[in-house]
Amino acid sequence: GAVVSQHPSWVICKSGTSVKIECRSLDFQATTMFWYRQFPKQSLMLMATSNEGSKATYEQGVEKDKFLINHASLTLSTLTVTSAHPEDSSFYICSARDAGTSKNEQFFGPGTRLTVL
Amino acid sequence: QKEVEQDPGPLSVPEGAIVSLNCTYSNSAFQYFMWYRQYSRKGPELLMYTYSSGNKEDGRFTAQVDKSSKYISLFIRDSQPSDSATYLCAMNPGKAAGNKLTFGGGTRVLVKP
Repeated sequence: GAVVSQHPSWVICKSGTSVKIECRSLDFQATTMFWYRQFPKQSLMLMATSNEGSKATYEQGVEKDKFLINHASLTLSTLTVTSAHPEDSSFYICSARDAGTSKNEQFFGPGTRLTVL
Repeated sequence: QKEVEQDPGPLSVPEGAIVSLNCTYSNSAFQYFMWYRQYSRKGPELLMYTYSSGNKEDGRFTAQVDKSSKYISLFIRDSQPSDSATYLCAMNPGKAAGNKLTFGGGTRVLVKP
């Protein structure tokens, strides 16, 4: 149980294009999902909190117009990197919290490696 | 000073040894404590989850939380080469803070056959 998937697992795109990354909770419902990015040999940096049916909450310094988040259902959140540039190349990881439990566990997806040429 | 401090390692041990990992933190509001294992180019995998102070054991893994000292530990018994990974501690104060996790920087562990 508690499986989170991400799609795609990797993507290469040209500078200026937009890329959408999907995060799905496969066997539980998640009212809250989180989006992180991770640079090589560094820890995870929280970008935003995605809330089902409402606007995402962005961390300080994260451009909300560049990183569009949509949480349209209890099992799906999407992150769209708009007008991507080489500095956006990173490892993007989502996590989800099981809404059906009082526990505060978060389960992570396998990550999406984005390379912008 | 970071909110959560974790020795980056690398920590190299022979197969079969006990791996000892720890984190210290400064925010006394943290109540939920987790340990994740992350292999290269993969997402973190939840190993242990603990609420408040105390010990928890699951197979070869033991997690300890000492809130009075703001110190948490993870022990891995009978370590295997497959345990070679980066281990991340994470914690959060709970719903009042949006359930946001604060991570340590990660400790790289290498178990040599």
